[in-house]
Amino acid sequence: DAGVIQSPRHEVTEMGQEVTLRCKPISGHDYLFWYRQTMMRGLELLIYFNNNVPIDDSGMPEDRFSAKMPNASFSTLKIQPSEPRDSAVYFCASKTGGLLTDTQYFGPGTRLTVL
Amino acid sequence: AQKITQTQPGMFVQEKEAVTLDCTYDTSDQSYGLFWYKQPSSGEMIFLIYQGSYDEQNATEGRYSLNFQKARKSANLVISASQLGDSAMYFCAMREGRRNTGKLIFGQGTTLQVKP
Repeated sequence: DAGVIQSPRHEVTEMGQEVTLRCKPISGHDYLFWYRQTMMRGLELLIYFNNNVPIDDSGMPEDRFSAKMPNASFSTLKIQPSEPRDSAVYFCASKTGGLLTDTQYFGPGTRLTVL
Repeated sequence: AQKITQTQPGMFVQEKEAVTLDCTYDTSDQSYGLFWYKQPSSGEMIFLIYQGSYDEQNATEGRYSLNFQKARKSANLVISASQLGDSAMYFCAMREGRRNTGKLIFGQGTTLQVKP
Protein backbone atom coordinates (compact mmCIF):
# COMPACT_ATOMS: atom_id res chain seq x y z
CA ASP A 1 0.00 0.00 0.00
CA ALA A 2 1.15 3.51 -0.73
CA GLY A 3 2.10 5.60 2.24
CA VAL A 4 1.55 9.31 2.69
CA ILE A 5 2.71 11.16 -0.42
CA GLN A 6 4.10 14.67 -0.31
CA SER A 7 5.22 16.97 -3.07
CA PRO A 8 7.52 18.56 -3.79
CA ARG A 9 10.28 16.89 -1.79
CA HIS A 10 12.44 19.97 -1.98
CA GLU A 11 11.46 23.57 -2.63
CA VAL A 12 13.73 26.56 -2.92
CA THR A 13 12.08 29.92 -3.32
CA GLU A 14 12.75 33.58 -2.77
CA MET A 15 11.32 35.69 -0.02
CA GLY A 16 7.91 37.05 -0.90
CA GLN A 17 6.95 34.22 -3.21
CA GLU A 18 3.96 31.96 -2.68
CA VAL A 19 4.69 28.37 -1.75
CA THR A 20 2.25 25.47 -1.94
CA LEU A 21 2.97 22.12 -0.36
CA ARG A 22 0.83 19.11 -1.24
CA CYS A 23 -0.16 15.96 0.58
CA LYS A 24 -2.05 12.80 -0.27
CA PRO A 25 -2.96 10.80 2.86
CA ILE A 26 -3.16 7.05 3.08
CA SER A 27 -6.40 5.85 1.54
CA GLY A 28 -9.09 5.35 4.17
CA HIS A 29 -7.45 7.60 6.74
CA ASP A 30 -9.77 10.32 7.92
CA TYR A 31 -7.31 12.42 9.93
CA LEU A 32 -4.62 14.54 8.29
CA PHE A 33 -1.93 16.52 10.07
CA TRP A 34 0.60 19.14 9.02
CA TYR A 35 3.79 19.41 11.11
CA ARG A 36 6.83 21.62 10.82
CA GLN A 37 10.32 20.64 11.97
CA THR A 38 13.06 23.16 12.71
CA MET A 39 16.25 22.97 14.72
CA MET A 40 15.04 25.66 17.10
CA ARG A 41 11.48 24.49 17.73
CA GLY A 42 11.63 20.79 16.95
CA LEU A 43 8.50 19.12 15.60
CA GLU A 44 5.33 21.13 16.03
CA LEU A 45 1.78 20.60 14.85
CA LEU A 46 0.47 23.32 12.59
CA ILE A 47 -3.06 22.12 11.83
CA TYR A 48 -5.09 18.97 11.57
CA PHE A 49 -8.24 17.88 9.75
CA ASN A 50 -10.84 15.25 10.47
CA ASN A 51 -13.08 14.23 7.59
CA ASN A 52 -11.73 17.18 5.60
CA VAL A 53 -12.74 19.70 8.29
CA PRO A 54 -10.05 21.71 10.13
CA ILE A 55 -10.22 20.79 13.81
CA ASP A 56 -7.28 22.58 15.39
CA ASP A 57 -5.29 25.31 13.66
CA SER A 58 -3.81 26.83 16.79
CA GLY A 59 -0.32 25.94 15.63
CA MET A 60 -0.50 27.93 12.41
CA PRO A 61 2.07 30.63 12.99
CA GLU A 62 0.34 33.56 11.31
CA ASP A 63 -2.02 34.62 8.60
CA ARG A 64 0.57 33.97 5.94
CA PHE A 65 -0.10 30.27 6.43
CA SER A 66 -3.27 28.58 5.23
CA ALA A 67 -4.28 24.97 4.76
CA LYS A 68 -7.11 23.31 2.89
CA MET A 69 -8.45 19.84 2.41
CA PRO A 70 -10.90 19.91 -0.49
CA ASN A 71 -11.40 16.15 -0.44
CA ALA A 72 -10.35 13.02 1.43
CA SER A 73 -7.32 12.40 -0.73
CA PHE A 74 -5.70 15.81 -0.99
CA SER A 75 -4.51 18.65 1.21
CA THR A 76 -2.43 21.77 0.66
CA LEU A 77 -0.42 24.01 2.93
CA LYS A 78 0.18 27.44 1.47
CA ILE A 79 2.55 30.16 2.60
CA GLN A 80 2.01 33.60 1.10
CA PRO A 81 4.24 35.56 1.21
CA SER A 82 7.10 33.32 2.27
CA GLU A 83 9.89 34.50 4.56
CA PRO A 84 13.34 33.07 5.33
CA ARG A 85 12.18 32.01 8.81
CA ASP A 86 9.68 29.67 7.17
CA SER A 87 12.60 27.48 6.07
CA ALA A 88 11.95 24.06 7.60
CA VAL A 89 10.89 20.52 6.83
CA TYR A 90 7.13 20.24 6.54
CA PHE A 91 5.59 16.85 7.24
CA CYS A 92 2.15 15.60 6.46
CA ALA A 93 0.79 12.65 8.45
CA SER A 94 -2.44 10.70 8.45
CA LYS A 95 -4.27 8.22 10.64
CA THR A 96 -7.52 6.39 10.82
CA GLY A 97 -10.09 7.33 13.42
CA GLY A 98 -10.71 3.75 14.50
CA LEU A 99 -10.54 2.98 18.19
CA LEU A 100 -8.17 0.07 17.67
CA THR A 101 -5.38 2.13 16.23
CA ASP A 102 -3.87 5.44 17.15
CA THR A 103 -0.77 5.72 15.02
CA GLN A 104 0.03 8.62 12.74
CA TYR A 105 1.98 7.73 9.60
CA PHE A 106 4.24 10.40 8.21
CA GLY A 107 5.08 11.33 4.66
CA PRO A 108 8.69 11.86 3.55
CA GLY A 109 8.48 15.60 4.18
CA THR A 110 9.08 18.69 2.07
CA ARG A 111 12.29 20.57 2.73
CA LEU A 112 11.55 24.25 2.16
CA THR A 113 14.27 26.82 1.78
CA VAL A 114 13.31 30.47 1.51
CA LEU A 115 16.16 32.70 0.39
CA ALA B 1 5.44 23.65 30.39
CA GLN B 2 7.32 20.94 28.59
CA LYS B 3 5.10 17.95 28.13
CA ILE B 4 7.64 15.49 26.75
CA THR B 5 11.21 15.44 28.01
CA GLN B 6 14.06 13.54 26.44
CA THR B 7 17.09 14.25 28.58
CA GLN B 8 19.70 12.55 26.40
CA PRO B 9 20.64 14.71 23.41
CA GLY B 10 23.04 12.04 22.16
CA MET B 11 23.98 8.48 22.97
CA PHE B 12 26.45 5.86 21.80
CA VAL B 13 26.01 2.11 21.91
CA GLN B 14 28.14 -0.77 20.74
CA GLU B 15 26.71 -2.92 17.99
CA LYS B 16 24.75 -5.92 19.33
CA GLU B 17 24.28 -4.34 22.74
CA ALA B 18 20.98 -3.09 24.17
CA VAL B 19 20.29 0.59 24.71
CA THR B 20 17.60 2.52 26.58
CA LEU B 21 16.39 5.93 25.43
CA ASP B 22 14.67 7.94 28.13
CA CYS B 23 11.36 9.74 27.87
CA THR B 24 9.26 11.35 30.59
CA TYR B 25 5.92 13.02 30.06
CA ASP B 26 3.51 15.27 31.85
CA THR B 27 -0.25 15.10 31.53
CA SER B 28 -3.32 15.32 33.71
CA ASP B 29 -5.38 13.21 31.31
CA GLN B 30 -6.26 9.65 32.23
CA SER B 31 -6.37 8.61 28.59
CA TYR B 32 -3.31 9.22 26.47
CA GLY B 33 -1.00 7.49 24.05
CA LEU B 34 2.76 7.34 23.85
CA PHE B 35 4.75 6.82 20.68
CA TRP B 36 8.31 6.45 19.51
CA TYR B 37 9.43 7.48 16.06
CA LYS B 38 12.78 7.04 14.34
CA GLN B 39 14.21 9.67 12.01
CA PRO B 40 17.27 8.48 10.05
CA SER B 41 19.56 10.89 8.28
CA SER B 42 17.35 10.64 5.19
CA GLY B 43 14.73 12.58 7.11
CA GLU B 44 11.59 10.47 7.11
CA MET B 45 9.68 9.78 10.32
CA ILE B 46 9.24 6.06 10.93
CA PHE B 47 6.76 4.79 13.51
CA LEU B 48 8.29 2.28 15.91
CA ILE B 49 6.02 1.50 18.82
CA TYR B 50 2.89 2.62 20.67
CA GLN B 51 1.68 2.34 24.28
CA GLY B 52 -1.80 3.29 25.42
CA SER B 53 -2.25 4.62 28.93
CA TYR B 54 -4.65 1.80 29.80
CA ASP B 55 -2.44 -0.95 28.40
CA GLU B 56 -1.24 -3.05 31.30
CA GLN B 57 1.56 -4.77 29.45
CA ASN B 58 4.59 -3.07 27.97
CA ALA B 59 4.43 -2.81 24.20
CA THR B 60 6.90 -4.79 22.10
CA GLU B 61 7.65 -4.70 18.37
CA GLY B 62 10.49 -6.95 17.35
CA ARG B 63 13.71 -5.53 18.82
CA TYR B 64 11.84 -2.54 20.26
CA SER B 65 10.11 -2.51 23.60
CA LEU B 66 8.59 0.31 25.59
CA ASN B 67 9.25 0.33 29.30
CA PHE B 68 6.08 2.02 30.54
CA GLN B 69 6.11 3.17 34.16
CA LYS B 70 2.86 5.03 34.64
CA ALA B 71 3.44 6.23 38.20
CA ARG B 72 6.79 7.70 37.19
CA LYS B 73 5.35 9.05 33.93
CA SER B 74 8.10 7.49 31.92
CA ALA B 75 8.03 5.67 28.60
CA ASN B 76 11.56 4.58 27.80
CA LEU B 77 12.42 2.88 24.52
CA VAL B 78 14.60 -0.20 24.73
CA ILE B 79 16.38 -1.38 21.59
CA SER B 80 17.85 -4.85 21.94
CA ALA B 81 20.78 -6.13 19.88
CA SER B 82 21.61 -2.76 18.31
CA GLN B 83 22.43 -2.68 14.62
CA LEU B 84 24.35 -0.10 12.59
CA GLY B 85 21.07 0.82 10.88
CA ASP B 86 19.66 1.91 14.23
CA SER B 87 21.81 5.04 14.10
CA ALA B 88 19.25 7.83 13.88
CA MET B 89 17.34 10.45 15.83
CA TYR B 90 14.59 9.04 18.06
CA PHE B 91 11.53 11.01 19.11
CA CYS B 92 9.14 10.31 21.93
CA ALA B 93 5.63 11.71 21.44
CA MET B 94 2.36 11.87 23.35
CA ARG B 95 -1.25 12.10 22.29
CA GLU B 96 -3.39 13.61 25.03
CA GLY B 97 -7.03 12.81 25.42
CA ARG B 98 -9.14 10.24 23.67
CA ARG B 99 -7.97 8.26 20.66
CA ASN B 100 -10.16 10.24 18.32
CA THR B 101 -8.28 13.41 19.09
CA GLY B 102 -5.18 13.87 17.08
CA LYS B 103 -2.54 16.19 18.37
CA LEU B 104 0.89 14.71 19.01
CA ILE B 105 3.42 16.55 21.14
CA PHE B 106 7.04 15.61 20.49
CA GLY B 107 10.14 15.65 22.61
CA GLN B 108 13.37 17.20 21.39
CA GLY B 109 14.81 13.89 20.33
CA THR B 110 17.82 11.72 21.13
CA THR B 111 20.53 11.03 18.58
CA LEU B 112 21.72 7.44 18.77
CA GLN B 113 24.96 6.32 17.20
CA VAL B 114 25.75 2.62 16.98
CA LYS B 115 29.45 1.79 16.93
CA PRO B 116 30.73 -1.24 15.00
